[in-house]
Amino acid sequence: EAQVTQNPRYLITVTGKKLTVTCSQNMNHEYMSWYRQDPGLGLRQIYYSMNVEVTDKGDVPEGYKVSRKEKRNFPLILESPSPNQTSLYFCASSRAAGQGFYEQYFGPGTRLTVT
Amino acid sequence: DQQVKQNSPSLSVQEGRISILNCDYTNSMFDYFLWYKKYPAEGPTFLISISSIKDKNEDGRFTVFLNKSAKHLSLHIVPSQPGDSAVYFCAAYNFNKFYFGSGTKLNVKP
Repeated sequence: EAQVTQNPRYLITVTGKKLTVTCSQNMNHEYMSWYRQDPGLGLRQIYYSMNVEVTDKGDVPEGYKVSRKEKRNFPLILESPSPNQTSLYFCASSRAAGQGFYEQYFGPGTRLTVT
Repeated sequence: DQQVKQNSPSLSVQEGRISILNCDYTNSMFDYFLWYKKYPAEGPTFLISISSIKDKNEDGRFTVFLNKSAKHLSLHIVPSQPGDSAVYFCAAYNFNKFYFGSGTKLNVKP
């Protein structure tokens, strides 16, 4: 089954404790992206990756890191989480955004709470 | 400042009638637009899209209209069904990035 998986689905952590949210897709997609969803703000793009070893900032990259060492995986790293990063996070992938393949497939979401 | 805006947080429609969801944008360089549907506790799923060189795209009960001069996008659902009750996000693409609106919660009453 074609899918995007995220782990963990729920996470409660404390300020400053480094964490990683994993994202994996099995569709051989080139483009992958992370979003956060907040009330009244919709989804905002954090980082995206056009392909392996190619990443770039989205609209709200501060406080986040990403890496793309393999095509299928795109982990989101919070080196020192703060309460304002409490949010619902989505990973998404698509064949090749910008080359006629704009439809993104989303993971189920990770609800992160930072106390 | 948000480049894609959905000014109606919610919409309630009777089953069988038309639902019209609206979206406004500010960046005239956007070259592709999409609508996604989201159910609670799930990720968004793609619904329909339109290129900036077109003004209409239809897929079954769903039609998207693009008015470039007004920088306005709308999604029409005809006829509306209770299973259409969800949050709808419009999104726009430009130079490798996607921009989403804040969403409209559609409630279709039986």
